[in-house]
Amino acid sequence: AQRVTQPEKLLSVFKGAPVELKCNYSYSGSPELFWYVQYSRQRLQLLLRHISRESIKGFTADLNKGETSFHLKKPFAQEEDSAMYYCALSSGTSYGKLTFGQGTILTVHP
Amino acid sequence: NAGVMQNPRHLVRRRGQEARLRCSPMKGHSHVYWYRQLPEEGLKFMVYLQKENIIDESGMPKERFSAEFPKEGPSILRIQQVVRGDSAAYFCASSPSSATNEKLFFGSGTQLSVL
Repeated sequence: AQRVTQPEKLLSVFKGAPVELKCNYSYSGSPELFWYVQYSRQRLQLLLRHISRESIKGFTADLNKGETSFHLKKPFAQEEDSAMYYCALSSGTSYGKLTFGQGTILTVHP
Repeated sequence: NAGVMQNPRHLVRRRGQEARLRCSPMKGHSHVYWYRQLPEEGLKFMVYLQKENIIDESGMPKERFSAEFPKEGPSILRIQQVVRGDSAAYFCASSPSSATNEKLFFGSGTQLSVL
């Protein structure tokens, strides 16, 4: 069965510092991975997906199949990055059924 | 486009009552997903529906829970004879297609509290 693990429940950094939110997964097939973000009082929204190889709001994430990881990184954190971040795995179906990690609350201090 | 609309935002029920949660997908979206988030946990998939069809209900408890997405009107998640363990945030998401890499648009959720 597929599983997504986010080992850090809470992560605090100072503004301007690099940040890395960890995500590990277990899945026997070819995974499709996503990062979703929920800012305070807002809806859960897609931040980025690995197939797009995009950088959104300065964040990037590289799929490492050897380490089964999809860590989210940003070189210089901003206060507005404070939010709950969820890593998610598409569950191998022909539709968008996702398996979510437990989430990491990122706090960026001024 | 107002986005995915869920109502009510908060629902309080006593044990044994019924809870009905509504979800109106984004305009043009015919694919709806329901997720449940228990306290201190991530979102867990419950059911995937297309108009008038349940495609995957593998995450739904076998008893007391049902879902529908009629030809007209919102998708409904119905929980009969609620128990305290049903207290959770229930999120609905919609998408324009069923592609695995399709972006899901989430609603604000319904917080169900069972007294």
